[in-house]
Amino acid sequence: EVQLQESGPGLVKPSQSLSLTCSVTGYSITSNYWGWIRKFPGNKMEWMGYISYSGSTSYNPSLKSRISITRDTSKNQFFLQLNSVTTEDTATYYCARQWPMYTTDYFDYWGQGVMVTVSS
Amino acid sequence: DVLMTQTPVSLPVSLGGQVSISCRSSQSLVHSDGNTYLHWYLQKPGQSPQLLIYRVSNRFSGVPDRFSGSGSGTDFTLKISRVEPEDLGVYYCLQSTHFPYTFGAGTKLELK
Repeated sequence: EVQLQESGPGLVKPSQSLSLTCSVTGYSITSNYWGWIRKFPGNKMEWMGYISYSGSTSYNPSLKSRISITRDTSKNQFFLQLNSVTTEDTATYYCARQWPMYTTDYFDYWGQGVMVTVSS
Repeated sequence: DVLMTQTPVSLPVSLGGQVSISCRSSQSLVHSDGNTYLHWYLQKPGQSPQLLIYRVSNRFSGVPDRFSGSGSGTDFTLKISRVEPEDLGVYYCLQSTHFPYTFGAGTKLELK
């Protein structure tokens, strides 16, 4: 069974970097596209970006140059780094798999989410 | 960005009843490959979003046939018949035709 699990600090100070890990079991991240999505307080959802089976990336322009998604295929993990965070980055962060293979279609499996608060 | 206008924001329902949720996009969601990448999710309290419908009208594995999706171009609808307690939560539409992907604002299905 495919499982995704986010991990990382729940509290980050303003202007610092937010770093999260998505650990995937039951499926290789060298197949499919793998994305990060966040949900703000009040229900708004935002797609942040993805890393592909080949390691290429695509990001939401709203995040400009603050975002980076990388991976470690040996550990079957991919990572989110968001720089220069502000209180507006307070959200629950999800990682998810896109299906079918090699397409940017729909997200089928999601992690349980990790809540990150940006506060001094 | 493609704006996804989802209505209503809140939807009171009686168990066993039928409801519809609308999602309208600011531009056509028909991709150059001919597919329409409009999907529906349900987020139950304390859980991550779960896929209900993909590409407008295809029920995901395990989703009851009480859920149905329809629409084309810029106008899409999710219908839920014979609402059950486990259907309560927040429903979202998502488009992955255009970059960046965008979500509707959500519709909270709750008991009357």
